[in-house]
Amino acid sequence: DAGVIQSPRHEVTEMGQEVTLRCKPISGHNSLFWYRQTMMRGLELLIYFNNNVPIDDSGMPEDRFSAKMPNASFSTLKIQPSEPRDSAVYFCASRAPGQHTGELFFGEGSRLTVL
Amino acid sequence: AQSVAQPEDQVNVAEGNPLTVKCTYSVSGNPYLFWYVQYPNRGLQFLLKYITGDNLVKGSYGFEAEFNKSQTSFHLKKPSALVSDSALYFCAVRATRMDSSYKLIFGSGTRLLVRP
Repeated sequence: DAGVIQSPRHEVTEMGQEVTLRCKPISGHNSLFWYRQTMMRGLELLIYFNNNVPIDDSGMPEDRFSAKMPNASFSTLKIQPSEPRDSAVYFCASRAPGQHTGELFFGEGSRLTVL
Repeated sequence: AQSVAQPEDQVNVAEGNPLTVKCTYSVSGNPYLFWYVQYPNRGLQFLLKYITGDNLVKGSYGFEAEFNKSQTSFHLKKPSALVSDSALYFCAVRATRMDSSYKLIFGSGTRLLVRP
């Protein structure tokens, strides 16, 4: 299996621009998570989907952030407009069905720099 | 609220020596506990987990962890460190109670540096 695939790996943009991060979970996995990693705040859970439905988005920082999962094999995290404080590494992770005790499988991350 | 603490920002150890990376947790009910490792510019990789059963859990790459309920700890250990073990290690916890959050909460991470 190819694992969790994220794109782009690196994104440099200017403040105010729209940013879209993409994630393809492992085939057959039905839970998908978006995390953000920064030096100051560590790993933060932004949003969690189960069977394509957002279950908890309480970690989404503000209305500038939105996430969608139109089907079982694709999810996006969008920031509009972007700000310098959004600079971070964004990770997508997926988990197999019926595995609420199971491990998460992480992608390689998307490193976002907002100038 | 559930939380996990990794009291050491960095652990330094000589190759061949045993290593311990500390983790303590706070959770309602019984915990699910995990260790992940992150190499530079990579995503997190699962090492091991404790759900129930034996307090000593064995995982990938020769790592093991000991669950101690009375001390609410889940320290990561390895009998003989390798230079290639140098990485960032994260402890994570999830509550088992259905009225608690399903969320997997990560610690702040501990950087392990193994010197030759």
